[in-house]
Amino acid sequence: AQTVTQSQPEMSVQEAETVTLSCTYDTSESDYYLFWYKQPPSRQMILVIRQEAYKQQNATENRFSVNFQKAAKSFSLKISDSQLGDAAMYFCAYNSGGGADGLTFGKGTHLIIQP
Amino acid sequence: AAGVIQSPRHLIKEKRETATLKCYPIPRHDTVYWYQQGPGQDPQFLISFYEKMQSDKGSIPDRFSAQQFSDYHSELNMSSLELGDSALYFCASAQRWRKNTGELFFGEGSRLTVL
Repeated sequence: AQTVTQSQPEMSVQEAETVTLSCTYDTSESDYYLFWYKQPPSRQMILVIRQEAYKQQNATENRFSVNFQKAAKSFSLKISDSQLGDAAMYFCAYNSGGGADGLTFGKGTHLIIQP
Repeated sequence: AAGVIQSPRHLIKEKRETATLKCYPIPRHDTVYWYQQGPGQDPQFLISFYEKMQSDKGSIPDRFSAQQFSDYHSELNMSSLELGDSALYFCASAQRWRKNTGELFFGEGSRLTVL
Protein backbone atom coordinates (compact mmCIF):
# COMPACT_ATOMS: atom_id res chain seq x y z
CA ALA A 1 0.00 0.00 0.00
CA GLN A 2 1.09 3.51 -0.69
CA THR A 3 1.88 5.85 2.16
CA VAL A 4 2.41 9.59 2.25
CA THR A 5 4.36 11.25 5.04
CA GLN A 6 4.41 14.91 5.96
CA SER A 7 6.83 15.37 8.82
CA GLN A 8 5.98 19.00 9.58
CA PRO A 9 2.70 19.35 11.47
CA GLU A 10 3.06 23.13 11.44
CA MET A 11 5.19 25.69 9.66
CA SER A 12 5.38 29.45 10.11
CA VAL A 13 6.74 32.00 7.67
CA GLN A 14 6.87 35.76 7.45
CA GLU A 15 4.77 37.39 4.78
CA ALA A 16 6.70 37.81 1.50
CA GLU A 17 9.24 35.15 2.44
CA THR A 18 9.69 31.66 1.04
CA VAL A 19 8.71 28.44 2.75
CA THR A 20 9.15 24.80 1.81
CA LEU A 21 6.80 22.04 2.90
CA SER A 22 8.14 18.49 2.89
CA CYS A 23 6.52 15.31 1.69
CA THR A 24 7.81 11.80 1.18
CA TYR A 25 5.93 8.82 -0.12
CA ASP A 26 6.33 5.13 -0.56
CA THR A 27 5.21 3.17 -3.59
CA SER A 28 6.30 0.29 -5.75
CA GLU A 29 4.68 1.74 -8.84
CA SER A 30 6.49 3.63 -11.55
CA ASP A 31 3.56 5.59 -12.97
CA TYR A 32 1.65 7.81 -10.56
CA TYR A 33 0.64 11.35 -9.73
CA LEU A 34 1.47 13.59 -6.84
CA PHE A 35 -0.48 16.58 -5.66
CA TRP A 36 -0.49 19.35 -3.15
CA TYR A 37 -3.94 20.35 -1.98
CA LYS A 38 -4.73 23.39 0.11
CA GLN A 39 -7.52 23.40 2.66
CA PRO A 40 -8.23 26.90 3.99
CA PRO A 41 -10.52 27.50 6.94
CA SER A 42 -13.40 27.57 4.48
CA ARG A 43 -12.50 23.85 4.27
CA GLN A 44 -12.83 22.98 0.58
CA MET A 45 -9.85 21.09 -0.83
CA ILE A 46 -8.26 23.14 -3.56
CA LEU A 47 -5.62 21.80 -5.92
CA VAL A 48 -2.39 23.79 -5.70
CA ILE A 49 -0.12 21.85 -8.02
CA ARG A 50 0.26 18.41 -9.61
CA GLN A 51 3.21 16.37 -10.81
CA GLU A 52 3.21 13.36 -13.11
CA ALA A 53 5.87 10.86 -12.06
CA TYR A 54 7.01 10.27 -15.63
CA LYS A 55 7.89 13.93 -16.07
CA GLN A 56 11.34 14.91 -14.89
CA GLN A 57 10.63 18.61 -15.01
CA ASN A 58 9.37 20.05 -11.74
CA ALA A 59 5.88 21.53 -11.91
CA THR A 60 5.41 25.26 -11.35
CA GLU A 61 2.26 27.30 -10.85
CA ASN A 62 2.95 30.99 -10.30
CA ARG A 63 4.41 31.29 -6.76
CA PHE A 64 4.17 27.56 -6.15
CA SER A 65 6.75 25.06 -7.30
CA VAL A 66 7.74 21.55 -6.40
CA ASN A 67 11.00 19.72 -6.01
CA PHE A 68 10.26 16.20 -7.21
CA GLN A 69 12.95 13.66 -6.50
CA LYS A 70 11.62 10.36 -7.84
CA ALA A 71 14.49 8.17 -6.69
CA ALA A 72 14.27 9.59 -3.19
CA LYS A 73 10.46 9.54 -3.29
CA SER A 74 10.35 13.12 -2.19
CA PHE A 75 7.90 15.81 -3.26
CA SER A 76 8.34 19.16 -1.53
CA LEU A 77 6.31 22.31 -2.14
CA LYS A 78 7.95 25.72 -2.25
CA ILE A 79 5.83 28.81 -1.79
CA SER A 80 7.54 32.02 -2.79
CA ASP A 81 6.50 35.50 -1.72
CA SER A 82 4.14 34.09 0.90
CA GLN A 83 0.83 35.91 1.24
CA LEU A 84 -1.68 36.00 4.07
CA GLY A 85 -4.12 34.10 1.87
CA ASP A 86 -1.72 31.18 1.73
CA ALA A 87 -2.49 30.35 5.35
CA ALA A 88 -4.14 26.92 5.34
CA MET A 89 -3.62 23.21 5.83
CA TYR A 90 -1.57 21.74 3.02
CA PHE A 91 -1.97 18.10 2.15
CA CYS A 92 0.40 16.12 0.01
CA ALA A 93 -1.45 13.40 -1.90
CA TYR A 94 -0.66 10.41 -4.09
CA ASN A 95 -2.71 8.83 -6.87
CA SER A 96 -1.68 5.60 -8.53
CA GLY A 97 -3.16 6.79 -11.78
CA GLY A 98 -5.67 4.04 -12.34
CA GLY A 99 -8.27 6.12 -10.63
CA ALA A 100 -9.96 3.44 -8.60
CA ASP A 101 -8.34 4.16 -5.26
CA GLY A 102 -8.56 7.91 -5.32
CA LEU A 103 -6.03 9.84 -3.32
CA THR A 104 -3.87 8.83 -0.39
CA PHE A 105 -3.22 11.87 1.79
CA GLY A 106 -0.47 12.80 4.18
CA LYS A 107 -1.36 14.10 7.64
CA GLY A 108 -1.09 17.69 6.51
CA THR A 109 1.01 20.72 7.38
CA HIS A 110 -0.59 23.75 8.96
CA LEU A 111 0.98 26.81 7.37
CA ILE A 112 0.90 30.04 9.35
CA ILE A 113 1.72 33.34 7.67
CA GLN A 114 3.08 36.00 10.01
CA PRO A 115 2.22 39.56 8.89
CA ALA B 1 -17.43 26.00 -14.36
CA ALA B 2 -19.65 23.51 -12.57
CA GLY B 3 -18.23 22.05 -9.38
CA VAL B 4 -19.03 19.13 -7.12
CA ILE B 5 -22.18 19.87 -5.16
CA GLN B 6 -22.78 18.38 -1.74
CA SER B 7 -25.83 18.60 0.45
CA PRO B 8 -26.57 19.33 3.15
CA ARG B 9 -23.67 21.52 4.18
CA HIS B 10 -24.41 21.00 7.84
CA LEU B 11 -26.27 18.25 9.60
CA ILE B 12 -26.93 17.65 13.28
CA LYS B 13 -28.16 14.25 14.45
CA GLU B 14 -28.63 12.37 17.68
CA LYS B 15 -26.88 9.13 18.49
CA ARG B 16 -28.45 6.08 16.85
CA GLU B 17 -30.17 8.21 14.22
CA THR B 18 -29.69 7.92 10.46
CA ALA B 19 -28.21 10.48 8.08
CA THR B 20 -27.99 10.72 4.32
CA LEU B 21 -25.49 12.85 2.44
CA LYS B 22 -25.79 13.64 -1.24
CA CYS B 23 -23.18 14.38 -3.87
CA TYR B 24 -23.60 15.65 -7.41
CA PRO B 25 -20.38 15.21 -9.41
CA ILE B 26 -19.09 17.47 -12.12
CA PRO B 27 -20.90 16.71 -15.40
CA ARG B 28 -19.24 13.94 -17.44
CA HIS B 29 -17.22 12.74 -14.46
CA ASP B 30 -17.72 9.01 -14.13
CA THR B 31 -16.14 8.36 -10.73
CA VAL B 32 -17.23 9.50 -7.29
CA TYR B 33 -15.26 9.19 -4.07
CA TRP B 34 -16.32 9.66 -0.46
CA TYR B 35 -13.87 10.76 2.23
CA GLN B 36 -14.27 11.28 5.96
CA GLN B 37 -12.18 13.92 7.72
CA GLY B 38 -12.23 13.98 11.49
CA PRO B 39 -11.20 17.12 13.43
CA GLY B 40 -7.54 17.85 12.78
CA GLN B 41 -7.18 14.72 10.66
CA ASP B 42 -6.35 13.99 7.06
CA PRO B 43 -9.17 12.77 4.82
CA GLN B 44 -9.76 9.04 4.98
CA PHE B 45 -11.05 7.24 1.92
CA LEU B 46 -14.41 5.53 2.46
CA ILE B 47 -15.68 4.25 -0.88
CA SER B 48 -15.69 4.98 -4.59
CA PHE B 49 -17.98 4.33 -7.52
CA TYR B 50 -17.22 4.08 -11.22
CA GLU B 51 -20.07 4.12 -13.70
CA LYS B 52 -22.57 3.42 -10.92
CA MET B 53 -20.73 0.33 -9.67
CA GLN B 54 -18.77 0.19 -6.45
CA SER B 55 -15.14 0.51 -7.43
CA ASP B 56 -13.14 0.38 -4.23
CA LYS B 57 -13.75 0.29 -0.52
CA GLY B 58 -11.70 1.89 2.19
CA SER B 59 -12.32 2.32 5.89
CA ILE B 60 -16.09 2.52 5.62
CA PRO B 61 -17.96 1.15 8.66
CA ASP B 62 -20.56 -1.56 8.09
CA ARG B 63 -23.17 0.92 9.38
CA PHE B 64 -22.53 3.04 6.32
CA SER B 65 -23.64 2.31 2.78
CA ALA B 66 -23.46 4.23 -0.44
CA GLN B 67 -24.61 4.05 -4.00
CA GLN B 68 -24.37 5.90 -7.25
CA PHE B 69 -27.52 6.50 -9.24
CA SER B 70 -28.26 6.57 -12.97
CA ASP B 71 -27.73 10.35 -13.08
CA TYR B 72 -24.29 9.78 -11.44
CA HIS B 73 -25.18 11.45 -8.19
CA SER B 74 -24.20 9.51 -5.11
CA GLU B 75 -25.62 9.15 -1.62
CA LEU B 76 -23.88 8.11 1.57
CA ASN B 77 -26.22 6.57 4.11
CA MET B 78 -25.12 6.38 7.72
CA SER B 79 -27.13 4.48 10.29
CA SER B 80 -26.87 3.95 14.05
CA LEU B 81 -24.84 7.11 14.28
CA GLU B 82 -22.12 7.31 16.91
CA LEU B 83 -20.38 10.32 18.42
CA GLY B 84 -17.23 9.33 16.53
CA ASP B 85 -19.01 9.77 13.21
CA SER B 86 -18.91 13.54 13.71
CA ALA B 87 -16.72 14.70 10.86
CA LEU B 88 -16.50 16.51 7.58
CA TYR B 89 -17.57 14.27 4.72
CA PHE B 90 -16.13 15.10 1.34
CA CYS B 91 -17.28 13.95 -2.00
CA ALA B 92 -14.92 14.16 -4.95
CA SER B 93 -15.36 13.34 -8.61
CA ALA B 94 -13.04 12.56 -11.48
CA GLN B 95 -12.87 11.21 -14.96
CA ARG B 96 -11.25 7.94 -14.11
CA TRP B 97 -9.34 7.36 -17.29
CA ARG B 98 -8.10 10.89 -17.82
CA LYS B 99 -4.58 9.82 -17.16
CA ASN B 100 -3.19 13.19 -17.97
CA THR B 101 -4.39 14.62 -14.66
CA GLY B 102 -5.20 12.05 -11.98
CA GLU B 103 -6.86 14.95 -10.21
CA LEU B 104 -9.88 14.67 -7.95
CA PHE B 105 -12.26 17.58 -7.69
CA PHE B 106 -13.70 18.11 -4.25
CA GLY B 107 -16.98 19.45 -3.02
CA GLU B 108 -17.20 21.81 -0.08
CA GLY B 109 -18.06 19.00 2.29
CA SER B 110 -20.93 18.14 4.59
CA ARG B 111 -20.28 18.65 8.27
CA LEU B 112 -22.04 16.04 10.39
CA THR B 113 -22.36 16.59 14.11
CA VAL B 114 -23.65 13.73 16.24
CA LEU B 115 -24.92 14.69 19.68
